[in-house]
Amino acid sequence: AQRVTQPEKLLSVFKGAPVELKCNYSYSGSPELFWYVQYSRQRLQLLLRHISRESIKGFTADLNKGETSFHLKKPFAQEEDSAMYYCALSLGGPGKLIFGQGTTLQVKP
Amino acid sequence: GAVVSQHPSRVICKSGTSVKIECRSLDFQATTMFWYRQFPKQSLMLMATSNEGSKATYEQGVEKDKFLINHASLTLSTLTVTSAHPEDSSFYICSARVPLGDTIQYFGAGTRLSVL
Repeated sequence: AQRVTQPEKLLSVFKGAPVELKCNYSYSGSPELFWYVQYSRQRLQLLLRHISRESIKGFTADLNKGETSFHLKKPFAQEEDSAMYYCALSLGGPGKLIFGQGTTLQVKP
Repeated sequence: GAVVSQHPSRVICKSGTSVKIECRSLDFQATTMFWYRQFPKQSLMLMATSNEGSKATYEQGVEKDKFLINHASLTLSTLTVTSAHPEDSSFYICSARVPLGDTIQYFGAGTRLSVL
């Protein structure tokens, strides 16, 4: 069955520290993975997708098919990065998204 | 970027009444929209896929007679919670896909439904 797992509900770091938000997936097809972010009182928005292979707001994520992972990383966290982060897997066809449980990132000053 | 408007943002209703939530794509045409439900401190659960001009596709365990979805135009999908009960109280979120094959979804701001 398709599944996305984000093992950490809360990740708390100090400003300037490196961040890694973990995401593992289970899918028999060719995966298309996304990271979505939800800042306080705002709607869910796309942060990045694996096929773009780009860095957004200093965040990067590499798809590792061998480990079935798509971890989100940033070398130096900023306070404005504090938000809820969701890893999502797009299934084929109509493009349904399966979301992980979400990780709250808290960046302390 | 693509903008999705969801209305109302919050609704309180009495048990047994029906509530309609609208989802509009403001600057693009969306052949496919999605409806999610989010419980407090939990993830988004896909309820159904809404296809313009055809019947919605519901996820397993979602009652289609309880959650009526209509996608009458390329810019509007509606979710009607019929005969609402307190257990239907939740945060409902819609999203829309830009056509031409892109799989990115753009999300509405959500609707907080409280059933008394």
